[in-house]
Amino acid sequence: NAGVTQTPKFRILKIGQSMTLQCAQDMNHNYMYWYRQDPGMGLKLIYYSVGAGITDKGEVPNGYNVSRSTTEDFPLRLELAAPSQTSVYFCASSPLGATNEKLFFGSGTQLSVL
Amino acid sequence: AQSVSQHNHHVILSEAASLELGCNYSYGGTVNLFWYVQYPGQHLQLLLKYFSGDPLVKGIKGFEAEFIKSKFSFNLRKPSVQWSDTAEYFCAVWNTNAGKSTFGDGTTLTVKP
Repeated sequence: NAGVTQTPKFRILKIGQSMTLQCAQDMNHNYMYWYRQDPGMGLKLIYYSVGAGITDKGEVPNGYNVSRSTTEDFPLRLELAAPSQTSVYFCASSPLGATNEKLFFGSGTQLSVL
Repeated sequence: AQSVSQHNHHVILSEAASLELGCNYSYGGTVNLFWYVQYPGQHLQLLLKYFSGDPLVKGIKGFEAEFIKSKFSFNLRKPSVQWSDTAEYFCAVWNTNAGKSTFGDGTTLTVKP
């Protein structure tokens, strides 16, 4: 059971480039999330999804887009990379239900925009 | 808006010292509370959680946390820290109605051998 898988682990982008961070979970979880972790700033929610076909903005959605065409996959797209998007990105998932709010995290993607 | 405050940004302790990390949240509705830990070079993992019942919850590696509803607090404690506890610790609050978590800014714990 792989859990939450994120790729790539590291990436360096030039300003203005675009890329997609991949996230997949094999636990049949309904909820999926993208967080960014900046030093001293904790985790901030970028986008989340409560199920296939449904996405919503979190605290810091600007500069990002997501899609959720299947339960398993929740890719995060950066269209025009900016230095302010240098961060560590974590994907997470959780099952639907009031007693199962534990988040399962991927191992993170370290992104540098130069 | 829901927020989570972790008062200590960086804590430095010697081995065997006692630890308490503060966490306060600002949401009056039903919440579930979590502490996550991130060891150097590793990803986030759950340390302990509170849903209901006994407000004193015990987690892995000798950690515990106490939910005090009147103070909107969920402080993390450990009686005697070890060098291997060096990590970053995040408090999180799950908003049951919104279906999403809010994290604190994290506390970096450094334990000197």
